[in-house]
Amino acid sequence: AQTVTQSQPEMSVQEAETVTLSCTYDTSESDYYLFWYKQPPSRQMILVIRQEAYKQQNATENRFSVNFQKAAKSFSLKISDSQLGDAAMYFCAYMAGAGSYQLTFGKGTKLSVIP
Amino acid sequence: KAGVTQTPRYLIKTRGQQVTLSCSPISGHRSVSWYQQTPGQGLQFLFEYFSETQRNKGNFPGRFSGRQFSNSRSEMNVSTLELGDSALYLCASTFSPSGANVLTFGAGSRLTVL
Repeated sequence: AQTVTQSQPEMSVQEAETVTLSCTYDTSESDYYLFWYKQPPSRQMILVIRQEAYKQQNATENRFSVNFQKAAKSFSLKISDSQLGDAAMYFCAYMAGAGSYQLTFGKGTKLSVIP
Repeated sequence: KAGVTQTPRYLIKTRGQQVTLSCSPISGHRSVSWYQQTPGQGLQFLFEYFSETQRNKGNFPGRFSGRQFSNSRSEMNVSTLELGDSALYLCASTFSPSGANVLTFGAGSRLTVL
């Protein structure tokens, strides 16, 4: 079974600084997708960024980028120029590529942004 | 474009009762999946429906069931409620075949069992 591990239950960052959230996963599949979702206190889960395993290039979305290390099964999220609105729970998630839309989530990292 | 709509947003039940939660996916989305979120267990997959067929089911007892209608709307039902069923229930939808597998989530239904 696939597992996703987020080893940092809580993190904090100064406004305008950069922070990196860690995620490792375990799978025997070769085709899969990885995601970072954000859940603010309003609890609506929002997609931050997505990475296809077959793509070597790391995904980026504005201030958000990932460091995808397939061999190491590592998928970290970097947030640049942190803003107060970035404060939230961040979940790393895995999805097998073979016609399944089932996500396996990590336990989450609570990010605080200090003004 | 309307998002994923879940109703009700909040509900309180007592042990032994049953509850039905509803999810209306984004128009055109054919896959609907359900997740249970609790402080202790985190986010756990319940089941996924695609074109009215259950494709996957998580490790939950038979008290948890669901269905999907021809318009892709989905319901999940929990019978004989237990205190441990108190949770945020999230619904997510996506479309096939090349939807990039991105799930869009609803705001959730907060269930409290007393």
